[in-house]
Amino acid sequence: DIQMTQSPSTLSASVGDRVTITCRASQSISNWLAWYQQKPGKAPKLLIYKASTLEKGAPSRFSGSGSETEFTLTISSLQPDDFATYYCQQYNSYSPTFGQGTKLEIK
Amino acid sequence: EVQLVESGGNMVQPGGSLRLSCAASGFTFSSYAMSWVRQTPGKGLEWVSAISGSGGSTYYADSVKGRSTISRDNSKNTLYLQMSSLRAEDTAKYYCAKQLDSSSWFVVDYWGQGTLVTVSS
Repeated sequence: DIQMTQSPSTLSASVGDRVTITCRASQSISNWLAWYQQKPGKAPKLLIYKASTLEKGAPSRFSGSGSETEFTLTISSLQPDDFATYYCQQYNSYSPTFGQGTKLEIK
Repeated sequence: EVQLVESGGNMVQPGGSLRLSCAASGFTFSSYAMSWVRQTPGKGLEWVSAISGSGGSTYYADSVKGRSTISRDNSKNTLYLQMSSLRAEDTAKYYCAKQLDSSSWFVVDYWGQGTLVTVSS
């Protein structure tokens, strides 16, 4: 299976900050990468797919970039609603895998 | 409005069986592949199984292959996951998940609220 490693595991930031979360794949996955946001007690919510395509309804302050093995999720200006856990997911094969998550906390 | 409502989660003894169901509404069910994804505090999110819109193609994670069967009834807009020989490590919240589109088979744009499976003696 392709391993997905996110960094950092925890990130402390303030409202208005620009933050970046990194996701690395153990082998090339082209641009078959999605990002999800999850809040406690809720199901994940799709933010970005195909590495950089913003899901309809997701705020434009979220953006994704990268290809092959290294990817980033950037939030341009943190809003109070953005404090949550973020997961990357590769879907390059018929055995998709998720990163371990990055918890974004209020500083 | 898309809705996915899971049911069937329960506490079961190791070696036991369980069938999860997911009632779907708000979209043309037969046009979309569907998946089951599970989540635990320790292992995070894990994709379990997927099935094509017609039901003709199915895929399983190695961790459940041979012990689980995914199926769907398009006349009832319902997705199923039959699980057997359950182990403690199958304990998780199980989510029913709808694919985004035909080119993004394993990208989930809608999730259910989840159903809890606990395997314990």
